[in-house]
Amino acid sequence: GEDVEQSLFLSVREGDSSVINCTYTDSSSTYLYWYKQEPGAGLQLLTYIFSNMDMKQDQRLTVLLNKKDKHLSLRIADTQTGDSAIYFCAESMDSSYKLIFGSGTRLLVRP
Amino acid sequence: DGGITQSPKYLFRKEGQNVTLSCEQNLNHDAMYWYRQDPGQGLRLIYYSQIVNDFQKGDIAEGYSVSREKKESFPLTVTSAQKNPTAFYLCASSGGGGQGEETQYFGPGTRLLVL
Repeated sequence: GEDVEQSLFLSVREGDSSVINCTYTDSSSTYLYWYKQEPGAGLQLLTYIFSNMDMKQDQRLTVLLNKKDKHLSLRIADTQTGDSAIYFCAESMDSSYKLIFGSGTRLLVRP
Repeated sequence: DGGITQSPKYLFRKEGQNVTLSCEQNLNHDAMYWYRQDPGQGLRLIYYSQIVNDFQKGDIAEGYSVSREKKESFPLTVTSAQKNPTAFYLCASSGGGGQGEETQYFGPGTRLLVL
């Protein structure tokens, strides 16, 4: 079945790195995504990784994909208070245009 | 200024009333989507449309209806049959071409409350 799981909450100190983890079940996923949601707002696309890649780096963001373990992580370097938000992991289902979302990880950055 | 707009930002529904949420995009995307988000939960797909004049039910379509008469517009009607409509509704679109063309971009959302 289709399922994406994330831990509910992460708290870090400002300036530290944050690592948000996600596991998924469908090995036919083509793309995996990270979205950020601030209170009362829509989802902002942060980054995505194609399923044949292991890693993708984009400024402070690093995405690691372990396809064998179906594990995806998002590392945020030098975390700032403005990074406090809910982060959603999502997988796309091959040829169906459908996205399956995790329930989100709330990141709290302490000053 | 390209993007996805949703209106209104807040919407109040009375018992037995149908209400329509607007979603417009000027990204020239073929596919559009409606999601429902409940507190502390992820997004659940209500309906999606891959092309004009065609749409498919998502995971929670009961009590909702859509139309796709124009490429840029995908309105969602919450009917009186939807008994628990209070939620945050998000519209998305995809299909800009090239690698990652199924990447979905989201609007700012509409919060629906029942009076």
